[in-house]
Amino acid sequence: SQTIHQWPATLVQPVGSPLSLECTVEGTSNPNLYWYRQAAGRGLQLLFYSVGIGQISSEVPQNLSASRPQDRQFILSSKKLLLSDSGFYLCAWSTGQGANEKLFFGSGTQLSVL
Amino acid sequence: SQKIEQNSEALNIQEGKTATLTCNYTNYSPAYLQWYRQDPGRGPVFLLLIRENEKEKRKERLKVTFDTTLKQSLFHITASQPADSATYLCALDTFSGGYNKLIFGAGTRLAVHP
Repeated sequence: SQTIHQWPATLVQPVGSPLSLECTVEGTSNPNLYWYRQAAGRGLQLLFYSVGIGQISSEVPQNLSASRPQDRQFILSSKKLLLSDSGFYLCAWSTGQGANEKLFFGSGTQLSVL
Repeated sequence: SQKIEQNSEALNIQEGKTATLTCNYTNYSPAYLQWYRQDPGRGPVFLLLIRENEKEKRKERLKVTFDTTLKQSLFHITASQPADSATYLCALDTFSGGYNKLIFGAGTRLAVHP
């Protein structure tokens, strides 16, 4: 069966520090991968998506970047965190084989930038 | 711009009653609509998908309707239980450029009281 791992679960970082969040998927090949951010009381905002290794599309211009060095690995990074980067970050995957497919989410990372 | 609205106030109901959650959208014509459940500090979990040509979809105690004229979806939980307490998110589904993009509402928190 397929599983998605996301870490760390919580992270407290000072403003201006770098960030690296990692997500890996097991049990499937060539998944579509996504990074979402959820602010308190707000809907999920799509940040990045990837349909293959090295293929990254950004939905929102911001202080973050994403990379996909391996088929089932997706990394969210920042060189210098801002206060506004605080939020709940979720990685997700889908099969990428149709328009009615569902997303499978990781357990999320609660990031607090102080 | 595309907009999805869900009741921001929490819905409190008594155990055994039917819970009805509303999802309205504007400036959009989705082909599909999905509902997810999210528990505190966790990633969303897929519940149901309904297509634009389907009026109603059922899964056990869950029922979803989709009215493309009213631009509205209703999510019902019959014989509600305290374990149904969670935040429920609706999402509009589009498929373009080779990926499945979901636009999420902010969610409605449901509290089922014994």
